[in-house]
Formats: sequence, structure tokens, C-alpha cells
Amino acid sequence: AQKITQTQPGMFVQEKEAVTLDCTYDTSDQSYGLFWYKQPSSGEMIFLIYQGSYDEQNATEGRYSLNFQKARKSANLVISASQLGDSAMYFCAMESGGSYIPTFGRGTSLIVHP
Amino acid sequence: ETGVTQTPRHLVMGMTNKKSLKCEQHLGHNAMYWYKQSAKKPLELMFVYSLEERVENNSVPSRFSPECPNSSHLFLHLHTLQPEDSALYLCASSPTSGLASTDTQYFGPGTRLTVL
Repeated sequence: AQKITQTQPGMFVQEKEAVTLDCTYDTSDQSYGLFWYKQPSSGEMIFLIYQGSYDEQNATEGRYSLNFQKARKSANLVISASQLGDSAMYFCAMESGGSYIPTFGRGTSLIVHP
Repeated sequence: ETGVTQTPRHLVMGMTNKKSLKCEQHLGHNAMYWYKQSAKKPLELMFVYSLEERVENNSVPSRFSPECPNSSHLFLHLHTLQPEDSALYLCASSPTSGLASTDTQYFGPGTRLTVL
């Protein structure tokens, strides 16, 4: 069985500072993929970043980077230089075992203060 | 129009009503998904369609009935819903249904459903 855990229900960060959103996962599969999505108050889900289990380097997409620690089964999202528009819910998700059915965490609400 | 669109954006219905949610993707993807997002719960996958065939039904009550007439359109037909069905219903699409770095799911804006 797959499981995604996001232990931070809410996070606050000052504008222009970096913030780390935690995500741990559990799977017995060797091949899996980890995703982060952003959900603004409008409700839509926006894909941010992807990390494959066999990728040797941490994924980066602009201000987003994924701190992938395979032995610890963690895939934390790091947002550098936070902006007010980053205020949203952030979801960690995983696909594994050849299944196209992702498992999502409960999400973390991020609020960026000016 | 590009991306994944959903209509309506907001819907209020009584328990005896019949309504349908519509999703349309303009990305040329082959797989489409319905998700339910309730408050304080993880995102729940409801249905998966790949090349217009349903490939997964995640034990969803029969009062929810999906329809995928072609690879670009997905419907969710609603009948005799319960107040606990009030939630945000998200549609998503992906190029294929499989595990690969390109199989990112692209989500629509969602329909906020309230059942009275």
C-alpha cells in the first residue's frame, strides 16, 4: 500500500524567504514517482515538480526544488524567495508499482506574509 | 481555449436533483480522471478513463456515474446525492495512463458542489 504524509497543516513565511514543505512517503515498490501540486484559492491544481525514484539528482523547476532523500523516504518541496502569490495549498503525491493511480497527501496550507 | 476546463464552476443541488459535471481537455491526452476533494481529507480518486474505457472505479457509490464519450470529454452524472457529497470535484488529464515522468496530471479548475 502507498501512503503520503504531510505533517504540516499550515505554514507561514515572510516574503522573499525560503520555505520547506515536508512530505514523507511509504511504498514497497522500487520504481515510483513523486509529485508536488499547488492549489490556489481558485481550486485548480497546478503541477509544480516531479522526481523519479531512480533520478540521481534532485529535481528543480525555477524557484521550486525537491529535496529527495530516498533512504529517509522524504520528498520535501523547497520554495526559494517566496512571493505573495505562493500562498496556496500544496499537495505531495506519489505513483508507484506501475499504477497510474496516484496517492495524495492531505496538503499543507502556505501563507506568505509581506 | 487550452488546458483542462470544467463546467459549471459552482453547483447547488437538492438531493432529488439530477445534474452533470462536464470536463474537457484540449491537450490531446489519452487518460482522464475524476477526483473528489472534501474538507480535511486527502484528494480521492473516483474514476479513471484511458482511451475512453473506464479502467478504475475506486468503489464510488452508484449515485455517481461517469461517462467518457471521447478522449477529450468526460462527464460525471449526479443523481440523488447526499449532503456529504458536497465537495470540490476535480477533473484531470494525462498523456497516458502509466508511470513515467511525462505522465503528469493536469487539473481543471474544479466544480464546487453543494448538496442541500
